[in-house]
Amino acid sequence: EPEVTQTPSHQVTQMGQEVILRCVPISNHLYFYWYRQILGQKVEFLVSFYNNEISEKSEIFDDQFSVERPDGSNFTLKIRSTKLEDSAMYFCASSEGGLTTTDTQYFGPGTRLTVL
Amino acid sequence: AQTVTQSQPEMSVQEAETVTLSCTYDTSESDYYLFWYKQPPSRQMILVIRQEAYKQQNATENRFSVNFQKAAKSFSLKISDSQLGDAAMYFCATDSGSARQLTFGSGTQLTVLP
Repeated sequence: EPEVTQTPSHQVTQMGQEVILRCVPISNHLYFYWYRQILGQKVEFLVSFYNNEISEKSEIFDDQFSVERPDGSNFTLKIRSTKLEDSAMYFCASSEGGLTTTDTQYFGPGTRLTVL
Repeated sequence: AQTVTQSQPEMSVQEAETVTLSCTYDTSESDYYLFWYKQPPSRQMILVIRQEAYKQQNATENRFSVNFQKAAKSFSLKISDSQLGDAAMYFCATDSGSARQLTFGSGTQLTVLP
């Protein structure tokens, strides 16, 4: 069964450093998403991406975040200058993007980001 | 804005028994979807079941079923014949019809007792 994959599974970085989290969505999906989950808290939406541009973004997704689809398979989340409060689990998700206004999002296993 | 409330931070069930996890939500949308996701200790988010708000019939997936009460904005998950592998954090979520962002509840930690 097709699945969303994410690398790395765990990333440790120093405060102020740039990190890139990578995701490979399900191959025939058209919508891609990033969510984050700070330990012990709710899963929060960051951004959705469609047709090579941001479709929706939350207040959390400020100028230090960016997303990109650098090739036909990868979808990345970049954090330019990491802060301690960026430590969280980051989930990538994808959905088919059919004619209905919404469809089911399938999640990857997550990348645990630790900022020291 | 949508809100999702899960009032049971923790639940436990005996193996082979049935358990119901509660979820209420609030949305101004008329067309929306509701989801239950499972997060085992590996922390991966796994889709359990989904319900379209325009459908009156409750969704079922094997041992998992929902009780969707649209007027009450309630969306509970029933797990029948509970198994040890069902132990996980369960999140209720909604996706308003016009946006593709999921809003999650705070989760219910389910323990299955042997």
